[in-house]
Amino acid sequence: LAKTTQPISMDSYEGQEVNITCSHNNIATNDYITWYQQFPSQGPRFIIQGYKTKVTNEVASLFIPADRKSSTLSLPRVSLSDTAVYYCPMNRDDKIIFGKGTRLHILP
Amino acid sequence: DAGVIQSPRHEVTEMGQEVTLRCKPISGHDYLFWYRQTMMRGLELLIYFNNNVPIDDSGMPEDRFSAKMPNASFSTLKIQPSEPRDSAVYFCASRVGGTGNTIYFGEGSWLTVV
Repeated sequence: LAKTTQPISMDSYEGQEVNITCSHNNIATNDYITWYQQFPSQGPRFIIQGYKTKVTNEVASLFIPADRKSSTLSLPRVSLSDTAVYYCPMNRDDKIIFGKGTRLHILP
Repeated sequence: DAGVIQSPRHEVTEMGQEVTLRCKPISGHDYLFWYRQTMMRGLELLIYFNNNVPIDDSGMPEDRFSAKMPNASFSTLKIQPSEPRDSAVYFCASRVGGTGNTIYFGEGSWLTVV
C-alpha cells in the first residue's frame, strides 16, 4: 500500500501564507483527501478534508486538482503557534496510513 | 465527549518486562487503531479493529506484540518481553465507519524501555 509523499520540512515567517503539497499518486476513486496537524506531545488532529476542487474552513484551505493526484494545504497568515507536523495520510477503505509528515517551523 | 483515553501516559520499564497499554475509544466509534510513532519511522499503523474484531495486524512488528479488544469500550496493546527498540509513543485512535470519516487520536502513551 503506497503512501503519500510530502516534503520533510518547511520554514516560514509569521504572517506569511504557507502552502504544503502532498502527492497522492495511488489515490483511488473512493478515497477522500485529509490533512492532520500534530503538536509536540499530542496526537494528530484533523484539520480539513476534501474530495475535489477547493474546501475552506476556519483553519485552512485545501486545493485538489481535477486528477486528484496531489493536494495543497494552505495556511493563511501563519503564527508561531502553527509550528507543527502536518500529515496527508493515505485513506484507503478502512485503513488510514500516515507517513513522516511535513515539519513546519514558523519563525518570528 | 471525553475523547480517546489512553493509559498510562508515561511508562519506563526494564528490558524483558511485560508492558500493557490501554485505550478507551470514543463512545459509538466502531473502528479502533493502534499506531506507533518514532523519529526514524514516523507514525506507523500497527493493528486496527472493527466492531471489536482485529481486521489487519500486518503492522505488528513481531510476536512480542499482541492486541485485544474484549468489548467496544476497551482495548489493550501488550508487549512481552519488551526491548529497548520498543521505546516510542503509542497512539490509540478511533472513528466511525464510513468513507471519509475523521479519525480521533488519544494523547499517546510514552514508553521507554531501558
